[in-house]
Amino acid sequence: RKEVEQDPGPFNVPEGATVAFNCTYSNSASQSFFWYRQDCRKEPKLLMSVYSSGNEDGRFTAQLNRASQYISLLIRDSKLSDSATYLCVELSGGSYIPTFGRGTSLIVHP
Amino acid sequence: NAGVTQTPKFQVLKTGQSMTLQCAQDMNHNSMYWYRQDPGMGLRLIYYSASEGTTDKGEVPNGYNVSRLNKREFSLRLESAAPSQTSVYFCASNRSFGNQPQHFGDGTRLSIL
Repeated sequence: RKEVEQDPGPFNVPEGATVAFNCTYSNSASQSFFWYRQDCRKEPKLLMSVYSSGNEDGRFTAQLNRASQYISLLIRDSKLSDSATYLCVELSGGSYIPTFGRGTSLIVHP
Repeated sequence: NAGVTQTPKFQVLKTGQSMTLQCAQDMNHNSMYWYRQDPGMGLRLIYYSASEGTTDKGEVPNGYNVSRLNKREFSLRLESAAPSQTSVYFCASNRSFGNQPQHFGDGTRLSIL
């Protein structure tokens, strides 16, 4: 059974801090990875895809480490609005069924 | 650009009642999914439809049925609602070819008394 594991947190950080989350996966055949953001039981929204070469979008950087089977999300200069739950997702090539982690809670305080 | 639309947004049912949750997407996606999300449990897949005309069970299909009405629409039916089915239900879709992320509707909050 494929599994995706995340530290549930919460990660409690001040504004302006840099914070990083890791997500480990068990399926060595996994090919695609994504980070989603979910606010207070609203729908998950795609934050970014994770490419083998890494991916940066503004303050957010996602990286993949295939050797150790984990992906990471780095948030720089945290904003209050970054407070949310971050879900990591893996997808095996050709599979219709993504595997979601249970999420990591981030709280950014003033 | 509506994306994935779910109806209703909220519903309260009595035990034993039936209802259908509707989902439609306008992105020409092939695959559609139904999830439920409960506190501390994460997203759990109920049913999915890899393409029009096919449906398959996910992790927690008991007590539910689905219909892929056409490429756009994928409905979830509770035949005899039970309090254990109180949850937030999300519909999602994706293109399905290999590396495509899912796009979610904004959910249906269902309470069963």
